[in-house]
Amino acid sequence: DVVLTQTPVSLSVTLGDQASISCRSSQSLEYSDGYTYLEWYLQKPGQSPQLLIYGVSNRFSGVPDRFIGSGSGTDFTLKISRVEPEDLGVYYCFQATHDPYTFGAGTKLELK
Amino acid sequence: EGQLVESGGGLVEPGRSLKLSCAASGFTFSNYVMDWVRQAPKKGLEWVASISTGGGNTYYPDSVKGRFTISRDNAKSTLYLQMNSLRSEDTATYYCAAYYGGYDYWGQGVMVTVSS
Repeated sequence: DVVLTQTPVSLSVTLGDQASISCRSSQSLEYSDGYTYLEWYLQKPGQSPQLLIYGVSNRFSGVPDRFIGSGSGTDFTLKISRVEPEDLGVYYCFQATHDPYTFGAGTKLELK
Repeated sequence: EGQLVESGGGLVEPGRSLKLSCAASGFTFSNYVMDWVRQAPKKGLEWVASISTGGGNTYYPDSVKGRFTISRDNAKSTLYLQMNSLRSEDTATYYCAAYYGGYDYWGQGVMVTVSS
């Protein structure tokens, strides 16, 4: 199974700071069709997860441009510039390239 | 705006069965791959099952393979998860989610507790 290793486990930030989360895969996430099924989700306290980024770097509808996804192969990063209060919660990376699909363990973004 | 509403959760004894339902509205259900994702208390997310748009292909991780069955009724815009031989480690909030390059829509989740 593909293991997604997220770092850090938790991240304490000041509002307005930049935050960066890494997601490293045990295998390349590029599918045979050339697409990379790597997504980022945010789960706010008491809520269902919500899609932020799909296909490594594409922002989902309504997601602010301060969320930037990047990477390729086995190394991926989510950057949040100018953290705002509504950005707090747990971030998960997820891969749907290889069966079984897997999530990273999560990174909790909290206020310093 | 798309919406998913799960139902059917509850308390069940180990070894028993339970069937979850997920009613979709506000989007073209038949165009989406549909999945179940679960979250044990205070834990992370785990993919549980996936079904193709037409229902002909299903996928499961080893942790539930042979015990869980995902199905869908496109005419009713409804997704199902039949869970048999339940174990304590199946205790979790179960989310249905609609996938189109990403999980565009999520339900609010339904709690399943497996305990005697």
